Amino acid sequence: KNQVEQSPQSLIILEGKNCTLQCNYTVSPFSNLRWYKQDTGRGPVSLTIMTFSENTKSNGRYTATLDADTKQSSLHITASQLSDSASYICVVSSFSGGYQKVTFGTGTKLQVIP
Amino acid sequence: EAGVAQSPRYKIIEKRQSVAFWCNPISGHATLYWYQQILGQGPKLLIQFQNNGVVDDSQLPKDRFSAERLKGVDSTLKIQPAKLEDSAVYLCASSPRTYDRPETQYFGPGTRLLVL
Repeated sequence: KNQVEQSPQSLIILEGKNCTLQCNYTVSPFSNLRWYKQDTGRGPVSLTIMTFSENTKSNGRYTATLDADTKQSSLHITASQLSDSASYICVVSSFSGGYQKVTFGTGTKLQVIP
Repeated sequence: EAGVAQSPRYKIIEKRQSVAFWCNPISGHATLYWYQQILGQGPKLLIQFQNNGVVDDSQLPKDRFSAERLKGVDSTLKIQPAKLEDSAVYLCASSPRTYDRPETQYFGPGTRLLVL
């Protein structure tokens, strides 16, 4: 069964600090891994996407890493801002029967405090 | 470019009542997804359409949930009858294709359902 596990479940950090969120997956066959940001009351928005051959992808202050051998990914947020407060969801995709199938993690809820 | 539209944004019903949600995907997007997101959890796929055909509905509780995508554009998700555990946010997403390269899912704002 395809699964995506994230840690920690929740995190509180001070504004300006860095943090790292973790994602472990057992999805096969692997196609790509995305990190989404979901603000309260809104739908998820894609931050980064990485395929099997990519091990790092940056989007501003967000840097995602992927180790396809250990099936782990991390999302590093640099110099956090209050607007980074949100849930961050790791999503792993596979292709089956010609169609993309996605498996969502449960998310990490990040709160940035002044 | 207009995003994914959903309505209503909020709905409160009593258990055993029926409810329907509507989704209008981004123009030209062939794939449409309905997700159920219970508070504190990640989204769970209910059904995936490719144009007007169903690709995956393995996690759709078919005894009470139904969905259709007429003409491969708009979609409706219905719950009949609703149970207390159906209280959740129902997210609709669309993506342009599902072939051999990854594509991004674009999510609507969701419909927040409360069953009393």
